[in-house]
Amino acid sequence: EPEVTQTPSHQVTQMGQEVILRCVPISNHLYFYWYRQILGQKVEFLVSFYNNEISEKSEIFDDQFSVERPDGSNFTLKIRSTKLEDSAMYFCASKPGQTFTGELFFGEGSRLTVL
Amino acid sequence: DQQVKQNSPSLSVQEGRISILNCDYTNSMFDYFLWYKKYPAEGPTFLISISSIKDKNEDGRFTVFLNKSAKHLSLHIVPSQPGDSAVYFCAASGDTDKLIFGTGTRLQVFP
Repeated sequence: EPEVTQTPSHQVTQMGQEVILRCVPISNHLYFYWYRQILGQKVEFLVSFYNNEISEKSEIFDDQFSVERPDGSNFTLKIRSTKLEDSAMYFCASKPGQTFTGELFFGEGSRLTVL
Repeated sequence: DQQVKQNSPSLSVQEGRISILNCDYTNSMFDYFLWYKKYPAEGPTFLISISSIKDKNEDGRFTVFLNKSAKHLSLHIVPSQPGDSAVYFCAASGDTDKLIFGTGTRLQVFP
């Protein structure tokens, strides 16, 4: 069964360092998302991406964050200068088309620890 | 900004009995409501959804009920199985396709 894959599964970084989290969405999917979950809190929307541009972003997704689909298969989230509060589980998700049921296919997540 | 709330952080149910997970929301403009299940070290997995124009949707052992006047939805699992033990997230979507999640309810089904 096709699945969304994310790398790395866990990354530890120093505050102020740049981090890139990678995702390979399901191959025929067109809509891509990043969500995050700070430990013990709810899953929060970060950004949606379609047709090579950001469709929507949350207030969390400030200038330190960027997304890119560099080669038609990978979908990356970059955090330019990490802060302690960026420590969270980051989930990539995708869906095939503009359905309105809200069903997204999530990856297993990348745990980011900022020291 | 708690547009979607799950007030019960945990629920413990005996195998074979019914599990009822509850969710409240504040935004009457939501179009779809969804339930996701999450096991440790895995991403959320879609379980079942319901459109705002319906009041019930059933899929096997899972049924979601929507009470729009009360801005309340619930997920019924019957019969509950030990493999259902997970964190269940209620989520909602409106005129954009971003999902707004609740804080989750940890369900434990014991033999």
